[in-house]
Amino acid sequence: RKEVEQDPGPFNVPEGATVAFNCTYSNSASQSFFWYRQDCRKEPKLLMSVYSSGNEDGRFTAQLNRASQYISLLIRDSKLSDSATYLCVVNSNYGGATNKLIFGTGTLLAVQP
Amino acid sequence: DAGITQSPRHKVTETGTPVTLRCHQTENHRYMYWYRQDPGHGLRLIHYSYGVKDTDKGEVSDGYSVSRSKTEDFLLTLESATSSQTSVYFCAIRTVARNTIYFGEGSWLTVV
Repeated sequence: RKEVEQDPGPFNVPEGATVAFNCTYSNSASQSFFWYRQDCRKEPKLLMSVYSSGNEDGRFTAQLNRASQYISLLIRDSKLSDSATYLCVVNSNYGGATNKLIFGTGTLLAVQP
Repeated sequence: DAGITQSPRHKVTETGTPVTLRCHQTENHRYMYWYRQDPGHGLRLIHYSYGVKDTDKGEVSDGYSVSRSKTEDFLLTLESATSSQTSVYFCAIRTVARNTIYFGEGSWLTVV
């Protein structure tokens, strides 16, 4: 089982739709969680951190469920410009000089006009 | 923009040749990383550095070495390139304040 798992998609949705991505992680000691966005042939860019109480940034809402070990990303009122791959990232501290970041393989979103 | 520059951005090389990728950062970050990204595998850590001359292996370090002689530069060397090392390589830094990773624009390497 992968440490971080995402549905690869693609998710094809019309403009204006609401879409949700889930991501599960296997290490219950994981401490930090993030969503990154990656456009085709570009570097991943931080979209938002995910906090225990859930957090919102405009049309984007991230939630964490520690009991079930998953995080989610909700995008409301989808725009064409939201088309990208969304990466789930989990930070687990295994000790030593650095925390260990585990990346999911990403979920591809295609917003259709 | 985390002030990260990678070079070269694109390179085609022959099997068996050495290749060095350079990552340069301008904001004095302590932690630097090299990842590779391949379809179906996501981003995988090759090596990382937690200071000048302080480096350690990641999960896919075989065939790669790194050096960090200055805070601003982190070099990734493929000692003898193989076709399995054809990939896109991302350098990254970690900010201590927010404990988040920021990536460079990537280096596309093709080994023929």
